[in-house]
Amino acid sequence: EVKLQQSGDELVRPGASVKISCKASGYTFTNYAMYWVKQSPGQGLEWIGTIIPLIDTTSYNQKFKGKATLTADKSSNTAYMELSRLTSEDSAVYYCARKGLANNYFDYWGQGVMVTVSS
Amino acid sequence: DIQMTQSPASLSASLEEIVTITCQASQNIGNWLAWYQQKPGKSPQLLIYGTTSLADGVPSRFSGSRSGTQYSLKISRLQVEDIGIYYCQQASSTPWTFGGGTKLELK
Repeated sequence: EVKLQQSGDELVRPGASVKISCKASGYTFTNYAMYWVKQSPGQGLEWIGTIIPLIDTTSYNQKFKGKATLTADKSSNTAYMELSRLTSEDSAVYYCARKGLANNYFDYWGQGVMVTVSS
Repeated sequence: DIQMTQSPASLSASLEEIVTITCQASQNIGNWLAWYQQKPGKSPQLLIYGTTSLADGVPSRFSGSRSGTQYSLKISRLQVEDIGIYYCQQASSTPWTFGGGTKLELK
């Protein structure tokens, strides 16, 4: 069974950074890319970026360049996303989602991490 | 960026009713279109991909179709478990973009 287990909800101060994780199981981690998605009430679902763990290659939505940094640890089958210089606009639920094989769909999703930016 | 415009934004329907949700792409995306279902308090789940193919485990009452750059999701006989928000997504070119969502409620 494919499972993406994300880390817990976060409360962070404005200007700080946060790193959230996504542990994959039930499939070969290096065979699939991983997406990250932002869901906020005003903006719906937004693709943040993609990481290919096998070759540590990333691509980003221009909107999130400089905001998000994607990494992956092949030894622990875990993908990470760090969000920097947080503002209230970054308060949202963040999902990791597996990229489908040979297509660009989001075929399995993590349970989501709620990031709240507040002083 | 490719814009995906969903309609309606919300929809109230009765059990066993036929429900149709549409998604208009701002340019040609071929059949690179997916639908996702998000139940209350849950993460989205892939429902349909490639415009018409059902994801694993999706009931046959769901179907997808296309006319030009307009895509449709049809639920043939609405069930209680179908309540939630539905999103379309284009998978033709980056940045991958989603529609604004259609909230489906029971009448």
